[in-house]
Amino acid sequence: AAGVIQSPRHLIKEKRETATLKCYPIPRHDTVYWYQQGPGQDPQFLISFYEKMQSDKGSIPDRFSAQQFSDYHSELNMSSLELGDSALYFCASSEQGFHNSPLHFGNGTRLTVT
Amino acid sequence: AQTVTQSQPEMSVQEAETVTLSCTYDTSENNYYLFWYKQPPSRQMILVIRQEAYKQQNATENRFSVNFQKAAKSFSLKISDSQLGDTAMYFCAFKETSGSRLTFGEGTQLTVNP
Repeated sequence: AAGVIQSPRHLIKEKRETATLKCYPIPRHDTVYWYQQGPGQDPQFLISFYEKMQSDKGSIPDRFSAQQFSDYHSELNMSSLELGDSALYFCASSEQGFHNSPLHFGNGTRLTVT
Repeated sequence: AQTVTQSQPEMSVQEAETVTLSCTYDTSENNYYLFWYKQPPSRQMILVIRQEAYKQQNATENRFSVNFQKAAKSFSLKISDSQLGDTAMYFCAFKETSGSRLTFGEGTQLTVNP
C-alpha cells in the first residue's frame, strides 16, 4: 500500500539558510499534518491543512510557513534557520471524513543545522 | 488543552513475556480517539493500535491489546509474547475529533531482552 512520502530524507543546512521540506500524502487523504521531533522528545505539532486550507496551528515559529497544493502535497518552508531547528520533521496524512482515521506518518526528514 | 502522560520513561521485558505500558490523559471531551504508536530505532512512526472512546470493548491487534478505562482516563498497552522486534519507543496519543491534531505523551522506551 502507498505510504506518505517525504523528501528529502536528510538535509544539512547552515545557520540563517532556508530549507524546504516536501510531503506527498497517501492517495485520497485530504489532511496533512507537520510535526517536529527534537532529540529524545515526543513529536510536537506544527501545522495542518485540510483541502488546501490551514486547519490548525501549533507551535510553529514565525520563520516557518507551509502550504498544501491542489494535488494535496504539502511543503514546509523554513527560513533563517537556527541550530535549535535541528530535528526530525514528520509529515502525516489522514482522511478527514473518517472520524477514527489515524494519522499515517512518513519516514521523516532529518534536518541538521550547523 | 488535552494532555497525555506516560509515567514510565523506560521499561524492559524478557522475550516471550508480557509487558504493560501505562498512559493517562486529560480531556473534557466525551468522544475522542486514542492511539499507540511505535517508533523503532529507524525513527519511523508506526501505528500499533487505536481505540474509539465511545466503544467499551478494548481494542486488540494480534499480540497487542489495550485496557481502556474511560472514567479513569487511562489507556494502557499490553504486549504479549514480546519479541525482539518490539524494542522501540512507544507513544500514546490522543485525538479529539476527525481532522484534529494528535497530542503525544512523552514516550516509553521499551527494550525486549533475549
